Amino acid sequence: DQQVKQNSPSLSVQEGRISILNCDYTNSMFDYFLWYKKYPAEGPTFLISISSIKDKNEDGRFTVFLNKSAKHLSLHIVPSQPGDSAVYFCAASHSGTYKYIFGTGTRLKVLA
Amino acid sequence: DVKVTQSSRYLVKRTGEKVFLECVQDMDHENMFWYRQDPGLGLRLIYFSYDVKMKEKGDIPEGYSVSREKKERFSLILESASTNQTSMYLCASSSQLGRQFFGPGTRLTVL
Repeated sequence: DQQVKQNSPSLSVQEGRISILNCDYTNSMFDYFLWYKKYPAEGPTFLISISSIKDKNEDGRFTVFLNKSAKHLSLHIVPSQPGDSAVYFCAASHSGTYKYIFGTGTRLKVLA
Repeated sequence: DVKVTQSSRYLVKRTGEKVFLECVQDMDHENMFWYRQDPGLGLRLIYFSYDVKMKEKGDIPEGYSVSREKKERFSLILESASTNQTSMYLCASSSQLGRQFFGPGTRLTVL
């Protein structure tokens, strides 16, 4: 049972436009969410996080939105740059556990 | 600069061999994790450890064991490697309830 789902395996966006990556979860106990970026042959690197007490968190070009009622979060990248081309994973956790559940990833390609 | 290192970037082993993958972190983190990444399946947790000599099974522990004798080091052991264990293995560490820092990964091929 996939508790964290990224239903789009890939996404292509023109440079300078907005990239929107989506993530859905099923476990209502999740209260902390993260996005990681992964380049080929490298480990994932942390991008941005959000706690369930917020519905938005922003860091430069990256904004994460959380809709708790829909159990949905999204990552917006504005403006998109060719260097943003990577696989993006969302991950979820709940208080009292050290474990994160990862989605299957979305491969973003930003076209110059 | 925080760092998680893994003993090998690429490894080729034969079916039935015993394989050791080692991970070292320099951040004094309590928690360490082993994942495998496969196309279309994302990152799946094999084992994690929240303290020295403590370990818990993740979602796919079958065929694997782990060892954590020192806080900074977490080893993944494949007792008898099989071809379905060909994968990218990722180690991570975190402080209590913190975000995880990942190593560069080990691409293991079992022939």
